[in-house]
Amino acid sequence: DAGVTQSPTHLIKTRGQQVTLRCSPKSGHDTVSWYQQALGQGPQFIFQYYEEEERQRGNFPDRFSGHQFPNYSSELNVNALLLGDSALYLCASTKWTRADNSPLHFGNGTRLTVT
Amino acid sequence: SQQGEEDPQALSIQEGENATMNCSYKTSINNLQWYRQNSGRGLVHLILIRSNEREKHSGRLRVTLDTSKKSSSLLITASRAADTASYFCAYNRGGFKTIFGAGTRLFVKA
Repeated sequence: DAGVTQSPTHLIKTRGQQVTLRCSPKSGHDTVSWYQQALGQGPQFIFQYYEEEERQRGNFPDRFSGHQFPNYSSELNVNALLLGDSALYLCASTKWTRADNSPLHFGNGTRLTVT
Repeated sequence: SQQGEEDPQALSIQEGENATMNCSYKTSINNLQWYRQNSGRGLVHLILIRSNEREKHSGRLRVTLDTSKKSSSLLITASRAADTASYFCAYNRGGFKTIFGAGTRLFVKA
């Protein structure tokens, strides 16, 4: 039973470029959340996708966008990269329930470096 | 910005000692969770405590929750070198977003 997988593991981009990160959720999960984690900090919520729609968004600019596919996999796109976008990008999946108590299952992240 | 705060930011102890980490938050919550992260990898869920619970145990882990003080603590008993990691508290307020604190970096010396 595969857990959450993310690709690529590492990426180096130049300021102004665009990047796409990919995530496959754990089998049986239908909800994908994306987090940005700067060095030495906790994860910051970017957005969450459910039923192919963005369900909630954190305090990130429109340069950050996403998509969820019918198979529940997801992409995170970042346009016009800034040096400050350098971080570990984490994808987390869960099976949504009304009880709101489902823990998140994380992938190992994509380390993005912007030069 | 982070809406949870862990204390201490860093903790160094000897193997066999207990490690206690604290978390404070600012709003009412539905549940509080603790996660562990090894050196730049993904986070792993450790334990969840609901807002109507006061204490929960899982193996060597003990979590308490005091909603009147808006605080939680994670106790790791008889720590091992393999417990060296960052520990994060996280909570939901009823929406879809799980909010994480800045974490406590635990170093267990063998």
